[in-house]
Amino acid sequence: GAVVSQHPSWVICKSGTSVKIECRSLDFQATTMFWYRQFPKQSLMLMATSNEGSKATYEQGVEKDKFLINHASLTLSTLTVTSAHPEDSSFYICSSGKWGRGDNYGYTFGSGTRLTVV
Amino acid sequence: AQSVTQLGSHVSVSEGALVLLRCNYSSSVPPYLFWYVQYPNQGLQLLLKYTSAATLVKGINGFEAEFKKSETSFHLTKPSAHMSDAAEYFCAVSEGYSSASKIIFGSGTRLSIRP
Repeated sequence: GAVVSQHPSWVICKSGTSVKIECRSLDFQATTMFWYRQFPKQSLMLMATSNEGSKATYEQGVEKDKFLINHASLTLSTLTVTSAHPEDSSFYICSSGKWGRGDNYGYTFGSGTRLTVV
Repeated sequence: AQSVTQLGSHVSVSEGALVLLRCNYSSSVPPYLFWYVQYPNQGLQLLLKYTSAATLVKGINGFEAEFKKSETSFHLTKPSAHMSDAAEYFCAVSEGYSSASKIIFGSGTRLSIRP
C-alpha cells in the first residue's frame, strides 16, 4: 500500500514553455505532498509542501511564480514549471506520508520526472 | 531543526564484503530516522526506519541499522555485499511525528561494488 504514481517519467520541452508534473496517491489520501528537486549526484532538496485545499508552502529561495503547485484533491498534486529555462532541467520527485501505528507508516516517493529544457 | 550527516560521498567494497554506510543525526533525538536507496533515474525506496521501538532495525535486502543515542548515529550495514546493492543511499530524518512533517535528507552515499 501507499503508492504514489508520478507522471511523466521524463519530458523534454523548449525554453519558455510550461511543463506540468502530476503525482497521484493510488491507495491512500495524500493530505500533504512534498516536492523535491534533485541535481545530478546530489541529494534531494525540498522545494515546497502542498496541502490539499490550501496554498503551498515554499522553501526559502524557491520561486513561487515559477514553480506552481496545486493540490486540489486528496489524491492529486501537480507541479507546473512555468516559462522553463535550461537551468530548470533537473529530476523532480514527489512524496507523501502515510501515517499509522506500528510499521504501517512512512513516506512514499514517486518514481521521479526527468525534465530537460532545451 | 533536525539534520543528518552522511560521512563519505562514495564507498566502494568488494562483492561479499561488509557494507557500512555512516549517518549521524543532530543532537536532539529525532522522531524518525530512515534509510532510502535510489537507483539511477528512479524514485526512492525505503530500506528501513527507526521508530524508537527498537534500536536495531532490520530492513529489506539484508540491510540493518542500529540507533546509538550515545553516538548520535544510525549507520547502515549489510554483512555481504551483492552487485545489485550498487546504488545511492540516503539517510533521512523527519522533523515531526505527523504525515505533514518534513523529511530532511543527508547528502547521500554512492555505493559501488567491486567484482
